[in-house]
Amino acid sequence: ELKVEQNPLFLSMQEGKNYTIYCNYSTTSDRLYWYRQDPGKSLESLFVLLSNGAVKQEGRLMASLDTKARLSTLHITAAVHDLSATYFCAVGTSGTYKYIFGTGTRLKVLA
Amino acid sequence: SQTIHQWPATLVQPVGSPLSLECTVEGTSNPNLYWYRQAAGRGLQLLFYSVGIGQISSEVPQNLSASRPQDRQFILSSKKLLLSDSGFYLCAWSVRAGGVDFGPGTRLTVT
Repeated sequence: ELKVEQNPLFLSMQEGKNYTIYCNYSTTSDRLYWYRQDPGKSLESLFVLLSNGAVKQEGRLMASLDTKARLSTLHITAAVHDLSATYFCAVGTSGTYKYIFGTGTRLKVLA
Repeated sequence: SQTIHQWPATLVQPVGSPLSLECTVEGTSNPNLYWYRQAAGRGLQLLFYSVGIGQISSEVPQNLSASRPQDRQFILSSKKLLLSDSGFYLCAWSVRAGGVDFGPGTRLTVT
């Protein structure tokens, strides 16, 4: 059974600082996705990573995928308050159409 | 472009009452459709997914059921709600390997 784990679960950081969120998964997959959820809202797609070594960047966020290590990272550069949200990674399972989500990382950026 | 609709947006139901949540997708054909549930402050749990009309895969045995009577319509039902059914219900769709896109969600409170 595919398991997807994120750490940390909670992250409080100062504006201007850098930090990385980690997403580990338990079985082979080359499809990894990152989402953002604001309080009380649905999820919004951030990044789609479809191969080993894939790197995507948007503004202060950069996501990467290492399929050999079964690890994806979401790096935050010079955090700003607007990045405060919960971030989820999700893994597409090989041979099926299922997408399994991680536990989520609640990020709070302090001014 | 594709649009996904869910209704109602919020719902308060007594224990033991029936449930019907509806999801429709516009702007695409033959999508894969998904129901996820998010308990308060928690991650996303995959409940059901469907790859075609009448084809339903259940991920979690419980008192919920799903149906797909039309290509772009997905319905989540229950005959008798439990307190533990409270949560944020999210419908999602996908085509190929691009991950899932979510609808706005239905917030269900069982009292």
